[in-house]
Amino acid sequence: EVQLVETGGGLVPPGGSLRLSCAASGFTFSTYWMSWVRQAPGKGLEWVANIKQDGSEKHYVDSVKGRFTISRDNAKNSLYLQVNSLRAEDTAMYYCARGINNADWGQGTLVTVSS
Amino acid sequence: DVVMTQSPLSLPVTLGQPASISCTSSQSLVYSDGNTYLNWFQQRPGQSPRRLIYKVSNRDSGVPDRFSGSGSGTDFTLKISRVEAEDVGVYYCMQGTHWPPITFGQGTRLEIK
Repeated sequence: EVQLVETGGGLVPPGGSLRLSCAASGFTFSTYWMSWVRQAPGKGLEWVANIKQDGSEKHYVDSVKGRFTISRDNAKNSLYLQVNSLRAEDTAMYYCARGINNADWGQGTLVTVSS
Repeated sequence: DVVMTQSPLSLPVTLGQPASISCTSSQSLVYSDGNTYLNWFQQRPGQSPRRLIYKVSNRDSGVPDRFSGSGSGTDFTLKISRVEAEDVGVYYCMQGTHWPPITFGQGTRLEIK
């Protein structure tokens, strides 16, 4: 059974940083693209970033370029999202998902940006 | 960027009746490999999204056969043959053909009438 468990969210002031993690199990992590998708409170889904199997390609939505960094550690079956220079509009539930087409999702980790 | 437009945005349905959600993309979603990467997701209240349909019409494992997807090019449809109470939630289409960015529709909220 595929399992994705996100951690690392929390309450941070504007301009702050967090490192989100996603622990994967139940599939061969190193053979899949992985994605981060977020959902602001009461809003729809927004793709944030994805990363190729070996980490050689990374893509971001324009609104987070230069502030967020996606990475992975295949030896640890883990996906990460370093979020810097946080803004109020980054407040959202952050989900990790398996594959480009988001076949499986975790339960999410909540990031709240507020002073 | 490819814009995904869903309709309706709100869908009241009587239990046991069919339901249909439309999704239109701003450009054809046929990829160079011949596949069309159009997916449908369900998000029940308080839960994470769950993929129901991939590549237009393929049901994911465990998805009831009352859910079906169809369409081609720029016009796609998710149909529920007979709505059940557990189908309440928000449904999203998503394109994985022309990216970055990957884009989602605005969501359609299905409720029981």
